[in-house]
Amino acid sequence: QVQLVQSGAGVKEPGASMKVSCKASGYTFTSYAIHWARQAPGQSLEWLGWINGVDYYTKYAHNFQGRVTFSQDTSASTAYMELSSLRPEDAAVYYCARGLNYYIDVWGKGATVTVSS
Amino acid sequence: QTVVTQEPSLSVSPGGTVTLTCGFNSGSVSTSFYPSWYQQTPGQAPRTLLHSTNIRSSGVPDRFSGSILGNKAALTITGAQAEDESDYYCFLSLGHDIWVFGGGTKLTVL
Repeated sequence: QVQLVQSGAGVKEPGASMKVSCKASGYTFTSYAIHWARQAPGQSLEWLGWINGVDYYTKYAHNFQGRVTFSQDTSASTAYMELSSLRPEDAAVYYCARGLNYYIDVWGKGATVTVSS
Repeated sequence: QTVVTQEPSLSVSPGGTVTLTCGFNSGSVSTSFYPSWYQQTPGQAPRTLLHSTNIRSSGVPDRFSGSILGNKAALTITGAQAEDESDYYCFLSLGHDIWVFGGGTKLTVL
């Protein structure tokens, strides 16, 4: 079945960078996009952007431009999200999700990031 | 700043009907925004319910339906059940490859 398995992040110090990976299985990785979103404790979902599996096209949400980078290794069916210059308010669960046309159809379970010195 | 608005909280009685809405501060939501809806219970990843306004994802009960009501997207639950108590998020395509989530609605079934 279609799955997105996330790993990475954990506890990071303010000012550091974090990287979350998202390994896809059960489908042709390059036929879909990967969206990235996050959810701070007790808050709503926040869209970070997306990367197109076939041509590596990326689009970042305005609030994260310059600080977030999406990449992928199609041979490993894995997408990556890197966020730099971490602040305490970046503490959240970070989700990857498969994008199909104009919506998300499958979600990863999330990766938790804590920002603390 | 782009803001997608949802009712912060709603309640419904078991067996009752409730409608959640998704508005846009810069204008009306139409089918061109391809509104989709997601359900999330505490500690879990979201689950996709509906996309493209009113198309249910696989396995989603038919008590969940989507529409455009006036200038907003809407998610209606007809015959609410206890297990529908969750947070619900809409997701809109704004064009230019930009998407945005709504602020979410916490639905209580009591």
